[in-house]
Amino acid sequence: GEDVEQSLFLSVREGDSSVINCTYTDSSSTYLYWYKQEPGAGLQLLTYIFSNMDMKQDQRLTVLLNKKDKHLSLRIADTQTGDSAIYFCAGNNAGNMLTFGGGTRLMVKP
Amino acid sequence: NAGVTQTPKFRVLKTGQSMTLLCAQDMNHEYMYWYRQDPGMGLRLIHYSVGEGTTAKGEVPDGYNVSRLKKQNFLLGLESAAPSQTSVYFCASSLRVPTGNEQFFGPGTRLTVL
Repeated sequence: GEDVEQSLFLSVREGDSSVINCTYTDSSSTYLYWYKQEPGAGLQLLTYIFSNMDMKQDQRLTVLLNKKDKHLSLRIADTQTGDSAIYFCAGNNAGNMLTFGGGTRLMVKP
Repeated sequence: NAGVTQTPKFRVLKTGQSMTLLCAQDMNHEYMYWYRQDPGMGLRLIHYSVGEGTTAKGEVPDGYNVSRLKKQNFLLGLESAAPSQTSVYFCASSLRVPTGNEQFFGPGTRLTVL
């Protein structure tokens, strides 16, 4: 099955950019997703990218996809304290189920 | 729209006890899922359903059973709880789409098994 890997923790200062990285193994994933989980809540879809794209921008969020290296990243510009959360990347597999990474905890310091 | 709701929010069980977690969605979604979330391990799929009356095993189905008698409800049962089932359980739902799979999540149930 697919493996999705993320680093566990990222700390940035308010106003800086954050870059959260993810690697995956299943090259047949047609969609790759970024979900955000705030404390005590469920996951909320932030953005997604179709596998034939290499970049997608949505306001402060930029998703970069390198299919050759199976590497996905999420850049948050002008990071705010409200961006503090756990971020999960996920890919859909052959059965159209999602495989999630372990999550990256983003801490934003004022 | 309430979206996806889960009951209860918290529960403490003793080893060997049974319980049922209820998930409800009001978005007329075909697909429903149960995940467990453990620290550093992301979400792992326990069971899922692609429509009323159907269920299928996910990645970690052992020790759990599910039922989807009504389209809007998906029940997760623990017949004989074990400490290894201490976790946060999330339900999700999605439309039946040929590609892509945006899932909508409930707020979670925190279960502790002593």
